[in-house]
Amino acid sequence: GQQVMQIPQYQHVQEGEDFTTYCNSSTTLSNIQWYKQRPGGHPVFLIQLVKSGEVKKQKRLTFQFGEAKKNSSLHITATQTTDVGTYFCAGGGNKLVFGAGTILRVKS
Amino acid sequence: DAGVIQSPRHEVTEMGQEVTLRCKPISGHNSLFWYRQTMMRGLELLIYFNNNVPIDDSGMPEDRFSAKMPNASFSTLKIQPSEPRDSAVYFCASSLGQGFNTEAFFGQGTRLTVV
Repeated sequence: GQQVMQIPQYQHVQEGEDFTTYCNSSTTLSNIQWYKQRPGGHPVFLIQLVKSGEVKKQKRLTFQFGEAKKNSSLHITATQTTDVGTYFCAGGGNKLVFGAGTILRVKS
Repeated sequence: DAGVIQSPRHEVTEMGQEVTLRCKPISGHNSLFWYRQTMMRGLELLIYFNNNVPIDDSGMPEDRFSAKMPNASFSTLKIQPSEPRDSAVYFCASSLGQGFNTEAFFGQGTRLTVV
């Protein structure tokens, strides 16, 4: 079945440094969604990418969808303490398959 | 709108007992999902309803698990009998439209502990 791999599992950065998490699917995806989950919270939708090669920005966050629609990345520029949490990618199609998530910790 | 509402927020029960988790989706949303989150397995889809009809229940782990959606504003996930390995956070989510191509709104979750 469809699998979505996400790396790294964990990243600890100094405030102001950049952060990137990568997502790879074993199959071509119809879309990819990104969610953020704060510690003790619930997943909150960030964005959906649909088109091959698509790039979207939300302030300091940049999301990319690969040309083959099998990989995606989320890049945060100049991290802040409010960025702390777990970032999940989720591959859409017949079902939404979540990656394991990347835990981001930010040292101030 | 208050968002997706789940109850209870926390549940501690003894092995063998029946557990019922409840969810009220966002009004107007016609897709509802039940997910389970654990450290070992991450976020797993258990079941997906569209217009109150179960579309995909392939993620339901065993016959001990059952889910219903009697109307557009209410769904339940039942575990009978419960086992310690069922301990997890259970999320309900809803979305507008069909399938997995639109934003899903998650509830606060129910943290289940089976002792």
